[in-house]
Amino acid sequence: DSGVTQTPKHLITATGQRVTLRCSPRSGDLSVYWYQQSLDQGLQFLIQYYNGEERAKGNILERFSAQQFPDLHSELNLSSLELGDSALYFCASSGPSSGNTIYFGEGSWLTVV
Amino acid sequence: DQQVKQNSPSLSVQEGRISILNCDYTNSMFDYFLWYKKYPAEGPTFLISISSIKDKNEDGRFTVFLNKSAKHLSLHIVPSQPGDSAVYFCAASATGNTPLVFGKGTRLSVIA
Repeated sequence: DSGVTQTPKHLITATGQRVTLRCSPRSGDLSVYWYQQSLDQGLQFLIQYYNGEERAKGNILERFSAQQFPDLHSELNLSSLELGDSALYFCASSGPSSGNTIYFGEGSWLTVV
Repeated sequence: DQQVKQNSPSLSVQEGRISILNCDYTNSMFDYFLWYKKYPAEGPTFLISISSIKDKNEDGRFTVFLNKSAKHLSLHIVPSQPGDSAVYFCAASATGNTPLVFGKGTRLSVIA
């Protein structure tokens, strides 16, 4: 158990809809990262938050947005969903004790039909 | 443009033998490298890391070698066990805790 909690574990939704994925980082971790893993793809970095502020942005679509709340949990909002958005979405966290190492949650499997 | 490349999508090794997983990178600013292991339906778990000031780091059956001039690193697993069967991801970051950049992974199958 990495200590990073993601909900929901599975989600099926229709094209055009909007979903929210939730992540609770490890205790004490200030950084939260979101990654996407599509079929046959590696882990694509989407966005990073540090203590509530956006720190880095990767290949995140404009239809997607994220935020980190004062209690440090994070949400990834995916809107106007398309079939190609079907993927595993991972949240990871890091903190002072982990340095460059990040710890992943078990992922949220999104299927768009 | 893939900055971290794992050119072998899969590898099959007999139990007890050595598994060698390879990774190449293109960004010379990368100075910290990690290997993660992923089982189906689970998140990636951290396995071992190496800083660019070293060329080798060992942890039990796992050793990571770094060749900075070739921009290449490898993970050696000795002896390989059936429980090692998983997808292994190579990752890299640059100074300043930049987000990790991952390769596409190598699926290792250890055959009993």
